Amino acid sequence: RKEVEQDPGPFNVPEGATVAFNCTYSNSASQSFFWYRQDCRKEPKLLMSVYSSGNEDGRFTAQLNRASQYISLLIRDSKLSDSATYLCVVNMERGYNKLIFGAGTRLAVHP
Amino acid sequence: DTGVSQDPRHKITKRGQNVTFRCDPISEHNRLYWYRQTLGQGPEFLTYFQNEAQLEKSRLLSDRFSAERPKGSFSTLEIQRTEQGDSAMYLCASSLARTTNEKLFFGSGTQLSVL
Repeated sequence: RKEVEQDPGPFNVPEGATVAFNCTYSNSASQSFFWYRQDCRKEPKLLMSVYSSGNEDGRFTAQLNRASQYISLLIRDSKLSDSATYLCVVNMERGYNKLIFGAGTRLAVHP
Repeated sequence: DTGVSQDPRHKITKRGQNVTFRCDPISEHNRLYWYRQTLGQGPEFLTYFQNEAQLEKSRLLSDRFSAERPKGSFSTLEIQRTEQGDSAMYLCASSLARTTNEKLFFGSGTQLSVL
């Protein structure tokens, strides 16, 4: 079983749609959680951290359920520029960032 | 440019050759990481340096792989006797050690193709 699992997609949605991505992780001792965005042939970039209480950044909302070991990302009012791969990321270690990445979920937003 | 820089951007080599990649982290960052990413997968952790000390190596890092960070600044990743399975994007990332909210910054990567 992979340490971080995501639906690979692709999710093809029209502009303005709301789309949700899910992710599960296997290690209950995981310390912190993130969503990264990766454009084609580019490096991953931090989109947002994920907190137990849930957090929002503009059109993006992230949720964490530690009991179910489940992380989600909701994108509202999708833009063409949101087209990318979204990587669910778990930090396994205390003290430094040993990040474990999911394989990513591809999102394609069309006009 | 004050971000993480990696050189070269692309490398094509023949099986059996040795290759070396360089990473220059953000100047004040004391932590440096190497990751590898193959098509359709997320990046996989390879190794981590705190200053010049290599503190962790993944079991993915076979004996053919070696990484150094001699003065706690730039780092090199060498692959000896390359194999076709080594073809991947090699990503370097750096961070400044913090107690909370430590953020990793990735370089643009080196794309390795082994023929």
